Amino acid sequence: KAGVTQTPRYLIKTRGQQVTLSCSPISGHRSVSWYQQTPGQGLQFLFEYFSETQRNKGNFPGRFSGRQFSNSRSEMNVSTLELGDSALYLCASSLDAFTDTQYFGPGTRLTVL
Amino acid sequence: DQQVKQNSPSLSVQEGRISILNCDYTNSMFDYFLWYKKYPAEGPTFLISISSIKDKNEDGRFTVFLNKSAKHLSLHIVPSQPGDSAVYFCAASAAYGGSQGNLIFGKGTKLSVKP
Repeated sequence: KAGVTQTPRYLIKTRGQQVTLSCSPISGHRSVSWYQQTPGQGLQFLFEYFSETQRNKGNFPGRFSGRQFSNSRSEMNVSTLELGDSALYLCASSLDAFTDTQYFGPGTRLTVL
Repeated sequence: DQQVKQNSPSLSVQEGRISILNCDYTNSMFDYFLWYKKYPAEGPTFLISISSIKDKNEDGRFTVFLNKSAKHLSLHIVPSQPGDSAVYFCAASAAYGGSQGNLIFGKGTKLSVKP
């Protein structure tokens, strides 16, 4: 069974631009969560989608948004990029997200110049 | 306010010996705890989990212990192998009161196992 895939793997943007990251979960998984990893803050939860609905949201500004499609694929969007948004963005999928194990993708490394 | 703390940023252990990684939490609503391992340039990989109704869970060389009264959990790796060298993250959630999607992670402990 294929794992979680994320595209692109690397991205360079400039301040003020917007970016869209994509995540394809493991086949059959309906929950997709997004995390931001930075050296200073570690791994931080952004939001979780289940059956096309945002079910949980972390403490990030409204510039960070996401959506999930009917095939469970998910996208994350960051508008008006800031230097501090430079990070590794990780996507994780699980069957139901209640107590099921989350499986992580390799991440998208975003650099904002 | 950090709800999940891994106070040791690094740990060095000799091959064959026991590795003990520690994690403390402050939120008494947490009822599900997980350990993840992360190699450079890869996403975290699930290792082992424990729910608050248990105080121990074993899987091969990996054992997680939970002390609810102390709000403390630990991961024991016995025997340690060089391939175990990675960053280990402790994570917690209020799974039975909400969605596991909202995992709170510690900042990680870098384990180095020397041959």
